[in-house]
Amino acid sequence: TQLLEQSPQFLSIQEGENLTVYCNSSSVFSSLQWYRQEPGEGPVLLVTVVTGGEVKKLKRLTFQFGDARKDSSLHITAAQPGDTGLYLCAYGSSNTGKLIFGQGTTLQVKP
Amino acid sequence: NAGVMQNPRHLVRRRGQEARLRCSPMKGHSHVYWYRQLPEEGLKFMVYLQKENIIDESGMPKERFSAEFPKEGPSILRIQQVVRGDSAAYFCASSPSGISGNTIYFGEGSWLTVV
Repeated sequence: TQLLEQSPQFLSIQEGENLTVYCNSSSVFSSLQWYRQEPGEGPVLLVTVVTGGEVKKLKRLTFQFGDARKDSSLHITAAQPGDTGLYLCAYGSSNTGKLIFGQGTTLQVKP
Repeated sequence: NAGVMQNPRHLVRRRGQEARLRCSPMKGHSHVYWYRQLPEEGLKFMVYLQKENIIDESGMPKERFSAEFPKEGPSILRIQQVVRGDSAAYFCASSPSGISGNTIYFGEGSWLTVV
């Protein structure tokens, strides 16, 4: 099983600040997914990145897949309290579709 | 369509008791996954099932844990003789097929507390 390392593990910022979280591995992936999980709920898919160097935007969230498809980043512009949650990256097993998750980045945005 | 439905949402069991967690997949989905999440950690894969078949149970502890997805009814994750270390959130997810790249949809989880 390939490992996904997420950093930072915890992040507490003020509303309006920008932030970047990282998902790194020594392995090459055909695709990576980003999820957000709010307290007391299940993870919700934000985006899937497939192509090396790909950049996808979802409102104030920008996702990038590394050129070598070994890493990915999530940048949030002008963070809001509603962005608070656990951000998880994951890859899918080609055989079964099961997901392997990183340990997550817990983000707290203070008003 | 209703999403993935899990129940109970919260369950308290004493050490040594049994816990049964149920999952009804989204309509039309025949593939079910169970994950476990410890506090402030990511999700750990436990088991992948199709109707009446266990496809991959590589993440399931060898003892006390079992899962089924019968032809009729919900998928069930069963934990026998629970211990404090079993306290966690258990998430079920479903997909229309087991192909990587398909979106899988998660339920809201079942929180097990062992006292």
